Amino acid sequence: EPEVTQTPSHQVTQMGQEVILRCVPISNHLYFYWYRQILGQKVEFLVSFYNNEISEKSEIFDDQFSVERPDGSNFTLKIRSTKLEDSAMYFCAIRDPGLAGSTSDTQYFGPGTRLTVL
Amino acid sequence: LAKITQPISMDSYEGQEVNITCSHNNIATNDYITWYQQFPSQGPRFIIQGYKTKVTNEVASLFIPADRKSSTLSLPRVSLSDTAVYYCLVGDMYNGGSQGNLIFGKGTKLSVKP
Repeated sequence: EPEVTQTPSHQVTQMGQEVILRCVPISNHLYFYWYRQILGQKVEFLVSFYNNEISEKSEIFDDQFSVERPDGSNFTLKIRSTKLEDSAMYFCAIRDPGLAGSTSDTQYFGPGTRLTVL
Repeated sequence: LAKITQPISMDSYEGQEVNITCSHNNIATNDYITWYQQFPSQGPRFIIQGYKTKVTNEVASLFIPADRKSSTLSLPRVSLSDTAVYYCLVGDMYNGGSQGNLIFGKGTKLSVKP
């Protein structure tokens, strides 16, 4: 099973500040995803990233959000000016089409970053 | 998109077999059925996936009848550590040009008691 790590595990920030959440897949993957989960609610898709560009994004992923893979390894999610309602767990996921039996629904999630906006 | 219905919660005791049924009446020909597990404050974890009939791995079994309008996740001899939320997802295995964003429902909260 592919391993995905995320840093930091917990981020506390003031409203209006920028935050960068990082995802580090252990092996080289092409497909990356960000999801978020507000406490007690559903896991929600934010954005998918393939071949170094965004392939899909949800309505949640507005102009305050951006993603990039700056060094070919880390995959980052940036929130430019955080709002109180951005407080949530943010999960990175990867898909490895090279894995036997893998389909688009076979994704491997990281442990998440808990973002708290004060 | 297939409309998915699964129980909000289930209770069980250690050592019992647990069956969680998911209804997906309008599943499409290209759709796979996938189950994820989520522990509190952790990311969802892929459990099992199938298209039809029965699939079994080291964690669970997935039963899919011929009409594919429902599926049942079977967890043999659950333990306390199986207490989690279980999500049934239905999605196009080919995706066309899409790269496969997962759509999670509210899932089934399984509570295993001693």
